[in-house]
Amino acid sequence: EVQLVDSGGGLVKPGGSLRLSCAASGFSVSSFGFNWVRQAPGKGLEWVSSISTSSNYIYYADSVKGRFTISRDNAKNSLYLQMNSLRAEDTAVYYCARDKDDILSGYSVWGQGTLVTVSS
Amino acid sequence: DIQMTQSPSSLSASVGDRVTITCRASQSISRYLNWYQQKPGKAPKLLIYTASNLESGVPSRFSGSGSGTDFTLNITSLQPEDFATYYCHQSYSTPLTFGGGTKVEIK
Repeated sequence: EVQLVDSGGGLVKPGGSLRLSCAASGFSVSSFGFNWVRQAPGKGLEWVSSISTSSNYIYYADSVKGRFTISRDNAKNSLYLQMNSLRAEDTAVYYCARDKDDILSGYSVWGQGTLVTVSS
Repeated sequence: DIQMTQSPSSLSASVGDRVTITCRASQSISRYLNWYQQKPGKAPKLLIYTASNLESGVPSRFSGSGSGTDFTLNITSLQPEDFATYYCHQSYSTPLTFGGGTKVEIK
């Protein structure tokens, strides 16, 4: 079964750091681009970051640029999001999502999400 | 940045109704528009990609159309499992952006 499992969320103080992980099964991550999308409580979806198959192309939303880093480990069949200098407004459920075919074609596989809460 | 405006933000409908949701981009995005369905506490699910292509396993009562700046998601004969929130998403250029969502509720 094709599946993504998100993990690593939790409660962190403002200014702190967290590393989210997304473990894939049923397919090889090396063949796909990946993305992180977040959803603040009761709010809509917000794109956070994307990474291409070879990691040559990486993009970030302005709201996280310079604080978050997306990466992938094809050998571990996993995707990561390193989040530093966290702010209250980063509180959200974070989903990893796989490109259907390429960055233009939508996200066909999603993780279950992991909740990040930034609060003192 | 490309702004995506969905309308309506919510609607009430009955089982069997036809529902239309629109999404307007602030500039042309060709056909790089995707639609997702999200139920409470669950991850979004891809319904339509590149404006009009039905994702595998999605019922044929869902259809999408449009190009440029104006797009439509249609649901013919609404079923009980279709009550959810729907989002459009432009994948034409970064920053990638989503519409604000349309919540489809039971009348």
